[in-house]
Amino acid sequence: NAGVTQTPKFRILKIGQSMTLQCTQDMNHNYMYWYRQDPGMGLKLIYYSVGAGITDKGEVPNGYNVSRSTTEDFPLRLELAAPSQTSVYFCAAGRQGARVALHFGNGTRLTVT
Amino acid sequence: TQLLEQSPQFLSIQEGENLTVYCNSSSVFSSLQWYRQEPGEGPVLLVTVVTGGEVKKLKRLTFQFGDARKDSSLHITAAQPGDTGLYLCAGVGANMRFGAGTRLTVKP
Repeated sequence: NAGVTQTPKFRILKIGQSMTLQCTQDMNHNYMYWYRQDPGMGLKLIYYSVGAGITDKGEVPNGYNVSRSTTEDFPLRLELAAPSQTSVYFCAAGRQGARVALHFGNGTRLTVT
Repeated sequence: TQLLEQSPQFLSIQEGENLTVYCNSSSVFSSLQWYRQEPGEGPVLLVTVVTGGEVKKLKRLTFQFGDARKDSSLHITAAQPGDTGLYLCAGVGANMRFGAGTRLTVKP
C-alpha cells in the first residue's frame, strides 16, 4: 500500500517551460489537494478536488491547472514556469468528514531558473 | 492573509523544557488538526480536535480546542530532540487551509 505517490522528486525548469507534476493515490480517497511550501513556510493551497471530475481553486491558483479524470490521479500542470513558482509541491489525499486525515506524498522540489 | 495564525513562528529550547504553541483564527471550524513535518517529508497528522473545549493527550503532547472552536494549543512536556520539526495546524473543510507553522528545535 503506497499511499500517495508524487513524481518526479526533483526538477529544474527554465523560465517559460511547462511540466506536469504527477500525483496518484491508492487509498480510494475522494478528496485530493495540491499545496506549495516555500522555504521555512507553511502550506498554501493551490487547487483541490472533492471527487473525479470536480476541481476548485485554492489560495494561490494562478499559473497552475489541474484535472481529476479518475479517483486515483490528480496531476498539476505548470504552463509557463516562472521563478516565483520555485517551491516544494505536496499532494495530499483524504476522505470527507470532520475527522478526515490528509495523507501526504513526499513532495516534488521544483526550481525555475 | 493567513486564515490561521500560528505563534511563535520559531522556538528553540533545551531538552526537558516545556512549551506551548498556538493556533488562532477569526473563523469557526468544525474541527481542527495538528500535523508535524520533518525535513524532506510531507506532514503527518498528530490529532484532530472536534468539540469546543476538547483536550486530547498523546503521550507528552496535549492538544486543546478553544470553547468557541476558533483556536487551539499544543503543549509539549519535557521536550526531546525527537520533537524537533515544523508543527502545522489546519482548519478542516473541503478546502483545507494550513497555518504558517511553528518551527521547533529541541537541543540535547
